[in-house]
Amino acid sequence: AQSVTQLDSHVSVSEGTPVLLRCNYSSSYSPSLFWYVQHPNKGLQLLLKYTSAATLVKGINGFEAEFKKSETSFHLTKPSAHMSDAAEYFCVVSDAEFDFGNEKLTFGTGTRLTIIP
Amino acid sequence: NAGVTQTPKFRVLKTGQSMTLLCAQDMNHEYMYWYRQDPGMGLRLIHYSVGEGTTAKGEVPDGYNVSRLKKQNFLLGLESAAPSQTSVYFCASMSSGSMAQYFGPGTRLTVL
Repeated sequence: AQSVTQLDSHVSVSEGTPVLLRCNYSSSYSPSLFWYVQHPNKGLQLLLKYTSAATLVKGINGFEAEFKKSETSFHLTKPSAHMSDAAEYFCVVSDAEFDFGNEKLTFGTGTRLTIIP
Repeated sequence: NAGVTQTPKFRVLKTGQSMTLLCAQDMNHEYMYWYRQDPGMGLRLIHYSVGEGTTAKGEVPDGYNVSRLKKQNFLLGLESAAPSQTSVYFCASMSSGSMAQYFGPGTRLTVL
């Protein structure tokens, strides 16, 4: 069984300071991991994905995440927050045990990021 | 290239009414998914399809039915709506060569 825990339901940072959104996962197999962003009243947009290649993954809008198997973590970071980063962020895990196409994405409960001017 | 579109964007139903939500994608993706999003619970998979004419149950399928008669369309039906089905519904699609799902803008459904 797979699961994902987002350790903070709400994070506030000042504009121009670093962003850290924490995610821990549990998976029986080699997982694929994703971060999605959801702006208010919008759909989900893929930020980045890890699929067993490089452990440091770079995504859009300056975000990146590092897969740490020993810590079962996949934290999302950005060096300098921008006002447009204010949104809800979801960490997602997908187990490789299922037939391709039958993957069940398991979503975290989300972290709301607020940017203070 | 519109990506994934959903119709309607908003809907209010009375308990017991029925409706169909339409999802369309123009990316020629094989796989399509329906999720619901509720506060504090992330997204949960309702049903999914790995190809035209095939559907399967997800995590929370009760009270919903789906059909995939055409590759580009995935319909979600509520035969007798209940207040517990008040939620935001998202459709997603994925290519067989990818590990990432692409989401539509969502449908906000309220059942009174």
